[in-house]
Amino acid sequence: SVLLYQKPNRDICQSGTSLKIQCVADSQVVSMFWYQQFQEQSLMLMATANEGSEATYESGFTKDKFPISRPNLTFSTLTVNNARPGDSSIYFCSSSGTGYAEQFFGPGTRLTVL
Amino acid sequence: GDSVTQTEGPVTVSESESLIINCTYSATSIAYPNLFWYVRYPGEGLQLLLKVITAGQKGSSRGFEATYNKETTSFHLQKASVQESDSAVYYCALGETGFASALTFGSGTKVIPCLP
Repeated sequence: SVLLYQKPNRDICQSGTSLKIQCVADSQVVSMFWYQQFQEQSLMLMATANEGSEATYESGFTKDKFPISRPNLTFSTLTVNNARPGDSSIYFCSSSGTGYAEQFFGPGTRLTVL
Repeated sequence: GDSVTQTEGPVTVSESESLIINCTYSATSIAYPNLFWYVRYPGEGLQLLLKVITAGQKGSSRGFEATYNKETTSFHLQKASVQESDSAVYYCALGETGFASALTFGSGTKVIPCLP
């Protein structure tokens, strides 16, 4: 399996500011994924991040708003630019280990934008 | 696109009674998706409960089981006797065949066991 750590666990920020969410894996992984979850709703895939290439974004998510970096095989950063109250949600990173069909998830970062 | 529909919660069930959470999927681009149930217990992270990657097979874990039914495109989660410790939110999800991929999730079903 893969253990994923996220930092921070939670954050409160003002509208218009930017914040970074870090995801670290305990082993090298090919793909990392970022999800957004609003209260009591489904997890929505935001983007796929592979080392050495630009992240691939799903419909409704843009790199200007949510730039993602993937500098190496154990690390990824999601930035939320120009944060708005509508961005208040939980953000998860996930990945799978070699030979696993399932995804393993980080604990999530709860963001509140005032 | 792909989608997953599951029982809306919350679902209240008496302890020792049976539980079923319905899950149906639509996989327009995947002939044989991998199917998963994830669970989030209070104060904990999202973790895999069970998975089935072959149509017709059944997965089981912690007293829960689910059968991959390709004909009805369903993957219902069942437990014969619910316990207090089963209080959690359960998510049905699908992924691409054969290799790890991003998942499409249902909206989650909160299960609340109560004293009989």
